[in-house]
Amino acid sequence: DTAVSQTPKYLVTQMGNDKSIKCEQNLGHDTMYWYKQDSKKFLKIMFSYNNKELIINETVPNRFSPKSPDKAHLNLHINSLELGDSAVYFCASSLRTGGEVLFFGSGTQLSVL
Amino acid sequence: DQQVKQNSPSLSVQEGRISILNCDYTNSMFDYFLWYKKYPAEGPTFLISISSIKDKNEDGRFTVFLNKSAKHLSLHIVPSQPGDSAVYFCAASATNNNDMRFGAGTRLTVKP
Repeated sequence: DTAVSQTPKYLVTQMGNDKSIKCEQNLGHDTMYWYKQDSKKFLKIMFSYNNKELIINETVPNRFSPKSPDKAHLNLHINSLELGDSAVYFCASSLRTGGEVLFFGSGTQLSVL
Repeated sequence: DQQVKQNSPSLSVQEGRISILNCDYTNSMFDYFLWYKKYPAEGPTFLISISSIKDKNEDGRFTVFLNKSAKHLSLHIVPSQPGDSAVYFCAASATNNNDMRFGAGTRLTVKP
């Protein structure tokens, strides 16, 4: 029974397209995140939501829009995809905000051609 | 602005020996430090953590050491096993801050 699940696992698309990545957690956590792992393998936070409210919005192009319909879901929508968006995107959740262990999904490998 | 640094991209050790992975940080506000382990095509999984009020935390074969004055922490794995081969990420956060920062990871290979 997967705790944090994200779909799809692989996403290959053309430049300029719009795509979404879905994330769900069944841990009852209050806080969810999106992280991006770039080509240099750094894991960088993109967004953080606590109980459906945006807490962190790092310097991310506004083509990226997170949506949290409820505290168990945090989806990531990306408009007008660019080559530089190619990366692995990880969803994560934690019990509360601040100083908590993160539980990660298995990642979505996005390739923009 | 890389606040958490893992300067060794890879480490290779023999089975049964000790593995020591190192991590440095720059932000003195960090008070909670974690190590995550990552296998290919999977997300990072939590391994062990330490609060800034401690200088050592042990869990089975895994021990994390924290040197606050040097802003340095290390993960010791003893004895190392082939199944420990993975990428290890160091991470740090501040209690009242939702922003957990990660290092670039160290790929550990344990040879039989």
